[in-house]
Amino acid sequence: AQSVAQPEDQVNVAEGNPLTVKCTYSVSGNPYLFWYVQYPNRGLQFLLKYITGDNLVKGSYGFEAEFNKSQTSFHLKKPSALVSDSALYFCAVRDISDSGGYQKVTFGTGTKLQVIP
Amino acid sequence: KAGVTQTPRYLIKTRGQQVTLSCSPISGHRSVSWYQQTPGQGLQFLFEYFSETQRNKGNFPGRFSGRQFSNSRSEMNVSTLELGDSALYLCASSLDGQLGNTIYFGEGSWLTVV
Repeated sequence: AQSVAQPEDQVNVAEGNPLTVKCTYSVSGNPYLFWYVQYPNRGLQFLLKYITGDNLVKGSYGFEAEFNKSQTSFHLKKPSALVSDSALYFCAVRDISDSGGYQKVTFGTGTKLQVIP
Repeated sequence: KAGVTQTPRYLIKTRGQQVTLSCSPISGHRSVSWYQQTPGQGLQFLFEYFSETQRNKGNFPGRFSGRQFSNSRSEMNVSTLELGDSALYLCASSLDGQLGNTIYFGEGSWLTVV
């Protein structure tokens, strides 16, 4: 069965400092990994995804993510945090469902990022 | 290009009633999926439709149902509402539901059951 873990409920970082939001995954096949951001009272916005290729994936709003197959991790990073980055971040993995045949999406529990001015 | 559109955005229902939520996917997208988001349970997958057929279903009771129309628009219905059904219901669409497709979300429908 596939799973996603976001070990930190909340991450606090000072404005201008680099930020990392952690995600680890477990899948039976090749991982298809995604990051989304959710602002208060809004839906989820797509940030970036890893399908194959370079381990460093660049996405929207200056975010990037590093895929590490040996550590089964897909951490979200940004070199310099902005106060406007404060939001809820979700990691997700897509794989074939246990019953076979169709894709299944599993989301992590979310990490609240607080950027302190 | 318009994004995923969900209606209504906010609604209040009484326990025991039923509710229908609507979703219009991004133009050209044929896969539509639904999620329930609550503070306690996080994001939970409800079901996915492709070409008017439900091809994947989460672990929700039969009170939760959905359908997809020939134009890919989708509706979900919850019958005999319970207080615990209060949640943000998110619709998402992707091109054809393949593993590498990006899933795009709507703004959600906030359902409050009183």
